[in-house]
Amino acid sequence: LAKTTQPISMDSYEGQEVNITCSHNNIATNDYITWYQQFPSQGPRFIIQGYKTKVTNEVASLFIPADRKSSTLSLPRVSLSDTAVYYCLVGDGTGTASKLTFGTGTRLQVTL
Amino acid sequence: NAGVTQTPKFRVLKTGQSMTLLCAQDMNHEYMYWYRQDPGMGLRLIHYSVGEGTTAKGEVPDGYNVSRLKKQNFLLGLESAAPSQTSVYFCASRDMYREPYEQYFGPGTRLTVT
Repeated sequence: LAKTTQPISMDSYEGQEVNITCSHNNIATNDYITWYQQFPSQGPRFIIQGYKTKVTNEVASLFIPADRKSSTLSLPRVSLSDTAVYYCLVGDGTGTASKLTFGTGTRLQVTL
Repeated sequence: NAGVTQTPKFRVLKTGQSMTLLCAQDMNHEYMYWYRQDPGMGLRLIHYSVGEGTTAKGEVPDGYNVSRLKKQNFLLGLESAAPSQTSVYFCASRDMYREPYEQYFGPGTRLTVT
């Protein structure tokens, strides 16, 4: 089972780039890496997913090194509304959910 | 298109009582999941289903049962509630084949067992 480790919390000022790293040393060959965002009293929301190298969408980038033992979520120019908990999830795409492992989450606080 | 809905939103139970949480999705997703989230913690998978009529155990299945009689519904049952089951319960669903493999989460059910 791919255990994930993330920093407990991070602080940033508005307008800065934020990088959150997740460690997943036991990632399996078929595993994808997915990041979710969660606001208080809400369910998590999908941000980005990748398998290797770099993935970019309209809200974030995901960097995955060649050994895939870690991944970094990059949020460009954060705003106050990005204050949330960010989770890293490792698992395969087959739906065998017993292999899904959510990280403990990183609480990001953005201030002016 | 409501996405994933959960019923009820809040519930208070006494120890030993039973209840069923309902999750419904209108996206024709094959996969459905039940998670619990304790205060300040991440999500832990309770049970999941890869299709109508199928269920499987996740990381923390003890004390819970599930059923998926219809593709759009996934029920989570607590037969004899315990204070340790006080938590927020989230349901999620996912398409089987479409990438990215994104889980769509419901708004959660806040359960307190006294």
